[in-house]
Amino acid sequence: GENVEQHPSTLSVQEGDSAVIKCTYSDSASNYFPWYKQELGKRPQLIIDIRSNVGEKKDQRIAVTLNKTAKHFSLHITETQPEDSAVYFCAARTHAGGTSYGKLTFGQGTILTVHP
Amino acid sequence: KAGVTQTPRYLIKTRGQQVTLSCSPISGHRSVSWYQQTPGQGLQFLFEYFSETQRNKGNFPGRFSGRQFSNSRSEMNVSTLELGDSALYLCASSLGNTQTEKLFFGSGTQLSVL
Repeated sequence: GENVEQHPSTLSVQEGDSAVIKCTYSDSASNYFPWYKQELGKRPQLIIDIRSNVGEKKDQRIAVTLNKTAKHFSLHITETQPEDSAVYFCAARTHAGGTSYGKLTFGQGTILTVHP
Repeated sequence: KAGVTQTPRYLIKTRGQQVTLSCSPISGHRSVSWYQQTPGQGLQFLFEYFSETQRNKGNFPGRFSGRQFSNSRSEMNVSTLELGDSALYLCASSLGNTQTEKLFFGSGTQLSVL
């Protein structure tokens, strides 16, 4: 089955700096890669996602890049702010083909702390 | 639209007991997935239900089971509880039609096993 590794487990930056979180996946058939943000005591929420036919996607200060050959994808946050402090999870969904529906496998999470 | 609702919010049980958790998806969503969240382990996939059928299953022992009703509400059951089952259990709903859909998570049920 799919295995998703996420690094680093913790990341501390100063406000205004950039933050990068990296994930690798094992199943070359995976075709959908979302990122979820979970603030303390709250539910995870989707912040950005990318499909396997796209190499990069941006949404304001957040961007995701995908390298299908190396089987890794990354989240980039620029001009970080204290409200970016949260746990970030990457995930990969394997394309199951036909009418089957692949499961979504999450990474272990990265605790991002942005210091004012 | 009401969000995903999980009940109860907190549960305290003792080893050997069983527990049932409930998840009501967003209206119109037919897929419900369950995840176990523990520190350092991320979100571990338990299972996913679609139209009352289990469509995917994770690598958890048979003590973990679930079901989905005709109104898409889902329940998860854990029998013979162990200390290691203490965790936050999250459910997520989606339409269930495409593999690139956004998941909407509930607030979770915090289970403590003593």
